[in-house]
Amino acid sequence: DTGVSQNPRHKITKRGQNVTFRCDPISEHNRLYWYRQTLGQGPEFLTYFQNEAQLEKSRLLSDRFSAERPKGSFSTLEIQRTEQGDSAMYLCASSPQRSGNTIYFGEGSWLTVV
Amino acid sequence: LAKTTQPISMDSYEGQEVNITCSHNNIATNDYITWYQQFPSQGPRFIIQGYKTKVTNEVASLFIPADRKSSTLSLPRVSLSDTAVYYCLVVLDTGFQKLVFGTGTRLLVSP
Repeated sequence: DTGVSQNPRHKITKRGQNVTFRCDPISEHNRLYWYRQTLGQGPEFLTYFQNEAQLEKSRLLSDRFSAERPKGSFSTLEIQRTEQGDSAMYLCASSPQRSGNTIYFGEGSWLTVV
Repeated sequence: LAKTTQPISMDSYEGQEVNITCSHNNIATNDYITWYQQFPSQGPRFIIQGYKTKVTNEVASLFIPADRKSSTLSLPRVSLSDTAVYYCLVVLDTGFQKLVFGTGTRLLVSP
């Protein structure tokens, strides 16, 4: 089962360091999403790609955050100068461009900033 | 985007049927109702999606009345492994959308 794959699953970093997460969507899914989830809350939308184009960004995505999907396949989410408030689970999801529009999530990447 | 309201938590015992109701009073014509399940430290997992009446799959059933202002997720004969958070969302049929998750319903299944 080639679901949405995220790496690394866990990352502990010191405040001020940069971190990068990778997401490999389900094959042939041209839509890719990043969400963030903190303890006790539901996931919150961060950004959306259709193929390689980043079409939507949340206000939650400060200028320290950057996401790319250079060839319309995998995506990376980089957080620069991490802060303790960045500690969360970062979820990647993908969906095909057809009706039914079911969005499939990966297992998430946990970030702990110490 | 239609807002959904669902109970914060529910308790059940193994073998019982669990029904989680969600209200979505402002649902639009092109909206579908979708439910996700999430275990601790894992991403949400799609359970079921429907537009009206009843939808059933190997995991659950979804009941949607004619006015579509609410829906009920039914889990037959729950087991301990069904302990999770369940999210009800209203989603567009096609096109880009931001899924708006609430805090979900925390289901605890006891022996």
